[in-house]
Amino acid sequence: AQTVTQSQPEMSVQEAETVTLSCTYDTSENNYYLFWYKQPPSRQMILVIRQEAYKQQNATENRFSVNFQKAAKSFSLKISDSQLGDTAMYFCAFMKQGGTGNQFYFGTGTSLTVIP
Amino acid sequence: EPEVTQTPSHQVTQMGQEVILRCVPISNHLYFYWYRQILGQKVEFLVSFYNNEISEKSEIFDDQFSVERPDGSNFTLKIRSTKLEDSAMYFCATNRVFQETQYFGPGTRLLVL
Repeated sequence: AQTVTQSQPEMSVQEAETVTLSCTYDTSENNYYLFWYKQPPSRQMILVIRQEAYKQQNATENRFSVNFQKAAKSFSLKISDSQLGDTAMYFCAFMKQGGTGNQFYFGTGTSLTVIP
Repeated sequence: EPEVTQTPSHQVTQMGQEVILRCVPISNHLYFYWYRQILGQKVEFLVSFYNNEISEKSEIFDDQFSVERPDGSNFTLKIRSTKLEDSAMYFCATNRVFQETQYFGPGTRLLVL
């Protein structure tokens, strides 16, 4: 079974500062995908960034980047130059490789507040 | 940009009643999912659906739940006899073939009284 753990229920950061959200996971799979989704107060989950486990290079998307440590089963999200619009719940998710149609396993989420 | 849509946004029902939650997937997406999120808890997988049949389902998805795509566009989740513990936000998600990223709808908040 796959489990995803987010150990920080709540975090805050000053606008324009950098914040890192933690995520660890447990799996016996060797090939998989990891995702960070953002869920703003409007409640629709939006993809922030994804990482393929077979890729050693950490994924980046503008101000968002990940630190993927496969051996440690760690997948943290770094948000640089935080903006007020980054205030949201952030979920880490795991998906086994093996074609589409596989379920996501989610962590419990981290509520991030960006302070003006 | 195309989005997954869900109706209704909110539903209040009495225990024991049937509810149908609807999802309109992005047009070229062929894999469909339902997830639920009980208030304050993690998002949990219910079921995945492809080619008009269930691909995978979780322990939560018991005989009280069913899914179908009745008209080739809507993807529905039916709860036959709702229980108090079915109160949750229900999310639909979809993706294309050979695409791992799932796109989520805005959710339906179900309250069972």
